[in-house]
Amino acid sequence: AQSVAQPEDQVNVAEGNPLTVKCTYSVSGNPYLFWYVQYPNRGLQFLLKYITGDNLVKGSYGFEAEFNKSQTSFHLKKPSALVSDSALYFCAVTGGKLIFGQGTELSVKP
Amino acid sequence: EAGVVQSPRYKIIEKKQPVAFWCNPISGHNTLYWYRQNLGQGPELLIRYENEEAVDDSQLPKDRFSAERLKGVDSTLKIQPAELGDSAVYLCASSLGQYYSTDTQYFGPGTRLTVL
Repeated sequence: AQSVAQPEDQVNVAEGNPLTVKCTYSVSGNPYLFWYVQYPNRGLQFLLKYITGDNLVKGSYGFEAEFNKSQTSFHLKKPSALVSDSALYFCAVTGGKLIFGQGTELSVKP
Repeated sequence: EAGVVQSPRYKIIEKKQPVAFWCNPISGHNTLYWYRQNLGQGPELLIRYENEEAVDDSQLPKDRFSAERLKGVDSTLKIQPAELGDSAVYLCASSLGQYYSTDTQYFGPGTRLTVL
């Protein structure tokens, strides 16, 4: 069975600092991995996905994610955080249907 | 290009009442999904349509939930009767339908249901 874990409920970062939001996965077969962001009272917005190829995936709003097969991880990163990045971030895996993690609340303080 | 449209955005009902949610997917998207998102959790799939056909409704509580996608475009999700535990955000999403596992799903803003 597929599953995804986001070990941190909340991540706090100062504006301008790099940020990382962690995600680990468990799948049988090839992993297809996604990151979505959710702002208050809004639906999920697609950030990026890994299907195959380069382990470093670049996405929207300056975000990128690194696929690591040996560690079964797909961490979301951004070199310099903005206050406007504060939101709820979801990692998801699919191999039959999209399975979401519990979400990580990112708070970026000025 | 317009995104996924959902209505209403908010709904408050008494328990045992019926409620319906409407979704209009992105134009040209053949696959439509309904998800339920409970507070503090990630969305969970309720049903997936490929055009008019419900191809995965294994997570839909069929005793009280029903869905339809007439003409393979708009979709309606209904709950009858609603229970207190149905309070959640109901999200609709759509994708092109080229390859299910890797297609990007685009989400609407959701309907926040409160059952009193």
